[in-house]
Amino acid sequence: NAGVTQTPKFQVLKTGQSMTLQCAQDMNHNSMYWYRQDPGMGLRLIYYSASEGTTDKGEVPNGYNVSRLNKREFSLRLESAAPSQTSVYFCASSEGLAGGRRSYNEQFFGPGTRLTVL
Amino acid sequence: GIQVEQSPPDLILQEGANSTLRCNFSDSVNNLQWFHQNPWGQLINLFYIPSGTKQNGRLSATTVATERYSLLYISSSQTTDSGVYFCAPSEVAGGFKTIFGAGTRLFVKA
Repeated sequence: NAGVTQTPKFQVLKTGQSMTLQCAQDMNHNSMYWYRQDPGMGLRLIYYSASEGTTDKGEVPNGYNVSRLNKREFSLRLESAAPSQTSVYFCASSEGLAGGRRSYNEQFFGPGTRLTVL
Repeated sequence: GIQVEQSPPDLILQEGANSTLRCNFSDSVNNLQWFHQNPWGQLINLFYIPSGTKQNGRLSATTVATERYSLLYISSSQTTDSGVYFCAPSEVAGGFKTIFGAGTRLFVKA
C-alpha cells in the first residue's frame, strides 16, 4: 500500500500561471481533504470531499477549485496563481469524515507539495 | 469558529525526559486528533481521541471534552520524537470543520 500519494513534490510558478495538484489514495477511503501549511503555522483546510461526487469548501477556499475524479483521486487546481498561494499543500484521506466519533475516521496524510509562486 | 491554543510553543528536552503537551479548544467538538510532523515534513496521526485516554507505546493522550482540553504525554523521550506536534479538533455540524493549532515544536537532545 502506497497510502496517500501526491504529485508533484515541488513546483515553481509565475504569477498568473495555472496548475493542478494531484492526489490519490489506495486505502478505499470515502473522504479526502486538501490543506495548506504556511511557515510556522498549522494546517488550514481548503476543500474537502466527504464522499465520491461531493465537494465542499473549507476554511480558505478562495483561489482554488477541486475535483473528486473518482473514489481514489482528488485534485486541487490553481487557476491563476498568486504569491500568497506560496505554501506546502497536503492531501489527506479518511474512512469517513474525521469529525465523527468513529475511531476509524483518522486522517492519513500525503508527503506534501511545496509550491512557490514568484 | 473553533479556537485552538497549544502550549508550550517550544520545548527542549534531554533524551529520556518526560513531557506533557496541552491543547485547549473553545467550542464543543466531536473529535480531536494529535499529529506529529517530523523534521522532513511528514504528518503522522498519533491519536484519534474524542474523549478518555489512549496509549500507544511511550505516548498517551487524554481528552476531557467537557472541559475542552486534551493532553499528550511523551515518556522516555527519544531524539526521533523531535518535530512539531499538532492537535486538531473537528466536528461535523453543518459541514466538516477542523482547526489545527499552531503546534508545539519539540527538540530532544541526545
